[in-house]
Amino acid sequence: GESVGLHLPTLSVQEGDNSIINCAYSNSASDYFIWYKQESGKGPQFIIDIRSNMDKRQGQRVTVLLNKTVKHLSLQIAATQPGDSAVYFCAETEGFKTIFGAGTRLFVKA
Amino acid sequence: DGGITQSPKYLFRKEGQNVTLSCEQNLNHDAMYWYRQDPGQGLRLIYYSQIVNDFQKGDIAEGYSVSREKKESFPLTVTSAQKNPTAFYLCASSMKRGPQPQHFGDGTRLSIL
Repeated sequence: GESVGLHLPTLSVQEGDNSIINCAYSNSASDYFIWYKQESGKGPQFIIDIRSNMDKRQGQRVTVLLNKTVKHLSLQIAATQPGDSAVYFCAETEGFKTIFGAGTRLFVKA
Repeated sequence: DGGITQSPKYLFRKEGQNVTLSCEQNLNHDAMYWYRQDPGQGLRLIYYSQIVNDFQKGDIAEGYSVSREKKESFPLTVTSAQKNPTAFYLCASSMKRGPQPQHFGDGTRLSIL
C-alpha cells in the first residue's frame, strides 16, 4: 500500500462506535475549513466543509465542529464502519492560501 | 462520470531524466493544482493555474514545470533539477481558486531507479 500514512497519529475504534478526529489549525484568519478522507493508493475525497461564521455543520454520519477561540477543528463520524478506515486530514483556507494538515490514520476494528 | 484522471499510476525516473505526469479533468473547472505528498506531511503546492495559458509557482516549484494549453489538461514535468523527486503527486481542480473544495485525482507515485 501507499506510505503516505506513515508516522501519522493513529486512532483505533471499534466498529459501530463513534470516532472523533481532531485538527489544530495555525492561522486565526482562516475562514474556510475542509475535511478530506484518503484511502490507501487513492486521492483525497471531500467529506465536509465549514465556514468560519459557523460552529457546527452536519452531513451524513459526519459532523464538523469549529472552535475559533482555540483554533481547533474536529470531525465526528457516527457508527464507524470498516469502510471508514483511511487517513483523514483537515485543510484551512484564508483567501487563496490553503494549508493541509498531515492527517490522522483511522483504524476500524471489526 | 466527471472527475480527474492522472496517469500513469506508477512512474520511474532515471538520473538526469525528465518525466511528465498527466492530469486531465472533465469537470469544466477553471483552477487546477499540483501537490506533492510525502509520508507524514501535509500536501505541498507545486504549481497552480487559474485559467488557460496562465500558471503560478506554489511553495515548492523548484525542479518542476507545468503548462496549461487546454482547460482540461495540466501536465507536470519533473525535471532532472529536482533532486528528491520520490513522492506521491496529486492533481486537483476547483471551480475557481479560493475557499472551496478541491477535487483530486488518484495520484502518481514517482520513484527513482
